[in-house]
Amino acid sequence: DVKVTQSSRYLVKRTGEKVFLECVQDMDHENMFWYRQDPGLGLRLIYFSYDVKMKEKGDIPEGYSVSREKKERFSLILESASTNQTSMYLCASNQGGSGNEKLLFGSGTQLSVL
Amino acid sequence: DQQVKQNSPSLSVQEGRISILNCDYTNSMFDYFLWYKKYPAEGPTFLISISSIKDKNEDGRFTVFLNKSAKHLSLHIVPSQPGDSAVYFCASTNFGNEKLTFGTGTRLTIIP
Repeated sequence: DVKVTQSSRYLVKRTGEKVFLECVQDMDHENMFWYRQDPGLGLRLIYFSYDVKMKEKGDIPEGYSVSREKKERFSLILESASTNQTSMYLCASNQGGSGNEKLLFGSGTQLSVL
Repeated sequence: DQQVKQNSPSLSVQEGRISILNCDYTNSMFDYFLWYKKYPAEGPTFLISISSIKDKNEDGRFTVFLNKSAKHLSLHIVPSQPGDSAVYFCASTNFGNEKLTFGTGTRLTIIP
């Protein structure tokens, strides 16, 4: 059963901490994405990667960075967590290319920054 | 700049009736549209999609309609069932673009 796996379902961190969110996909997909979901704002794209070591900013990259050292793994990093980064974080992947835009999502990580 | 809009944050429908969820977009380059369903504490799951060469696509109880001139799409669920209670997101892109742009979501509640 193909899937996207996020390492944590729930995380509680302190303001100023460095936070790592990990995501692994087993479908050999080219593209991986990080979104955050907030009530009334929908899903907003933070960063995405279309190849190993390649990344592009999404709509709300401020305060975040990413790392993709291996094709199957895409990490989201909060360099210094702040309370406004409390959110549901969703990782997704797709193969890319025409006809392959459909995203497969992980179960999400609910991050609380206190 | 919200390129994909879902103007109804919530919708309640009686079990067995039709649920209609709406979505508007502003980017005329979009030519591929998707609907996702999301339960609490889970990731969104793909429901149905439509390309701009069609105006309707059907899959079981789910039908998506596309009105290109109005830049509007809708998702019809009939008959509605309690398990359909979830948040529904529409998303848009153009073919070959790796990124999906999502709407703000509509919370659908099916009343038994």
